[in-house]
Amino acid sequence: ETGVTQTPRHLVMGMTNKKSLKCEQHLGHNAMYWYKQSAKKPLELMFVYNFKEQTENNSVPSRFSPECPNSSHLFLHLHTLQPEDSALYLCASSLQEAGVEDEQFFGPGTRLTVL
Amino acid sequence: EDQVTQSPEALRLQEGESSSLNCSYTVSGLRGLFWYRQDPGKGPEFLFTLYSAGEEKEKERLKATLTKKESFLHITAPKPEDSATYLCAVQAVPQGGSEKLVFGKGTKLTVNP
Repeated sequence: ETGVTQTPRHLVMGMTNKKSLKCEQHLGHNAMYWYKQSAKKPLELMFVYNFKEQTENNSVPSRFSPECPNSSHLFLHLHTLQPEDSALYLCASSLQEAGVEDEQFFGPGTRLTVL
Repeated sequence: EDQVTQSPEALRLQEGESSSLNCSYTVSGLRGLFWYRQDPGKGPEFLFTLYSAGEEKEKERLKATLTKKESFLHITAPKPEDSATYLCAVQAVPQGGSEKLVFGKGTKLTVNP
């Protein structure tokens, strides 16, 4: 257990559905991240939140909409996805404090399949 | 543009057969290099952070080293439970943006009993 939980662990949705992924961290961290992991590709950073403020949007299509209501929770709202969006979606958190070793801790991921 | 290349893509070892994984990187200014282990169906698990050339860190059968252009993850006398995908990532000195990680594709290690 890394202290980062994600729900659901598996999700199958049609292209017209709307769903949300949830991430919660119990580590007292200040930064949270969404990554996409596809087969044969490196992890792709999607969004970064520092102290609830979005600081990075890595050219992600608008059908992915993040929400960070507080430093412990992060959501990824999904709508009108495409089959190529099928992947493992990983949430991570880090302390993000100056002068401190700042590794990211990952959740177990949500395996998303878009039909 | 920051880049990370890991080699080999896949590696098969016999139990007890030591070897090394390579991570080559190009980055404008290195803040840190990270090694992660990822088991199938799970998120990456943090192993090491290296900050400067010449630095080494060890954990059980694993030792990570860093030069100005690459990092090695040495595995001594591996066991089947070391089988996993090993990911390397670099963090650049931030230039107006956040301190994001750039990952390599990983090396899939299989250790046969």
